[in-house]
Amino acid sequence: EAGVAQSPRYKIIEKRQSVAFWCNPISGHATLYWYQQILGQGPKLLIQFQNNGVVDDSQLPKDRFSAERLKGVDSTLKIQPAKLEDSAVYLCASSPRGGMNTEAFFGQGTRLTVV
Amino acid sequence: QQQVKQSPQSLIVQKGGISIINCAYENTAFDYFPWYQQFPGKGPALLIAIRPDVSEKKEGRFTISFNKSAKQFSLHIMDSQPGDSATYFCAALKGNNDMRFGAGTRLTVKP
Repeated sequence: EAGVAQSPRYKIIEKRQSVAFWCNPISGHATLYWYQQILGQGPKLLIQFQNNGVVDDSQLPKDRFSAERLKGVDSTLKIQPAKLEDSAVYLCASSPRGGMNTEAFFGQGTRLTVV
Repeated sequence: QQQVKQSPQSLIVQKGGISIINCAYENTAFDYFPWYQQFPGKGPALLIAIRPDVSEKKEGRFTISFNKSAKQFSLHIMDSQPGDSATYFCAALKGNNDMRFGAGTRLTVKP
């Protein structure tokens, strides 16, 4: 079974530039999550999708972050414009259904450095 | 707002020893408590998980102890091995979303 695929693995941009990350979840997984993991901290949920609908985006900085999951499969996370404090690893995860006591499978993440 | 507090921040254990990592939560609505293991450059991977109706769960060398009244749970790694060296995260989940992670514990097992 293929895991969660993310790209790119690394990205370096200047502040005020824009950047996009891509995630392909495990086939058949209805739920998709984007997490932000700042160095030395635990992952923080940014947004959760159930199929192509948003379940929770309460911690997404909507003035600069956006995410979409067209057709309920792949997802993209965009930051525009980026700030220095956005430097982090962005993790995508998926789970088979609504996340009710089920395991979330994580991708390797995209390490973003904003300079 | 930190809903899951994890300690210690780092831990060094000799090979063969017991590693103990502790977590405490605030929200009694949490109903699922997983532990994740993360190696450098990799995403977190589920290690073991417990529901609040059980006080202990053991899988191989890994045991979760759960104290519902104290709102605390801990991970015990018996016979710790150098290959266990990683960062461990506790987490708490309520309902079908909103999984909150602890800050992580960097475990180093010395040979």
